[in-house]
Amino acid sequence: EAGVVQSPRYKIIEKKQPVAFWCNPISGHNTLYWYRQNLGQGPELLIRYENEEAVDDSQLPKDRFSAERLKGVDSTLKIQPAELGDSAVYLCASSPSSYNSPLHFGNGTRLTVT
Amino acid sequence: AQTVTQSQPEMSVQEAETVTLSCTYDTSESDYYLFWYKQPPSRQMILVIRQEAYKQQNATENRFSVNFQKAAKSFSLKISDSQLGDAAMYFCAYRLPTNDMRFGAGTRLTVKP
Repeated sequence: EAGVVQSPRYKIIEKKQPVAFWCNPISGHNTLYWYRQNLGQGPELLIRYENEEAVDDSQLPKDRFSAERLKGVDSTLKIQPAELGDSAVYLCASSPSSYNSPLHFGNGTRLTVT
Repeated sequence: AQTVTQSQPEMSVQEAETVTLSCTYDTSESDYYLFWYKQPPSRQMILVIRQEAYKQQNATENRFSVNFQKAAKSFSLKISDSQLGDAAMYFCAYRLPTNDMRFGAGTRLTVKP
């Protein structure tokens, strides 16, 4: 099966600019996660979707971050405007809606804000 | 608060030797799954092993095994016969029936030839 696809792989922007990340999960995976991973740290949840519904966005900085998952498949995470502290790797993961299933991760997008 | 703690930021092992990575977690749930993931420099998170909280038998996958102590909320990973390709960041995580999944801060494993 095809894996989780993320793009772009790298992105460099100036502060205050907008940026968007795209994720295509594995076909049939109802649950989709966006994580932020700072250098040398573990993934921190930003938002979790069950199909097209955002069921946990408590850690999403809603003043500048937004996300959507159209038709319960692809998802986009946006930052506007970006700040220096947003520099990190943004990981997308998907899985079936069963907690015994592992998450399947994409390769992530490394964002650098200058 | 529900958390995962990995108390060893870095570990080192000689090739062919055995190393154990520690993990403790805190959740009020009684039913959950535990996972160990490996993340090499490529950034791709790779599943190493998983354990159901209701199973007393420790999971094993080839050279990888766990020591699961539910009462102590401890879930350590043992890597036997370490290989150069085992060098990576290792993350411990749990997943609840709500699908909430949390990760620890990771342990960087170095394998010396």
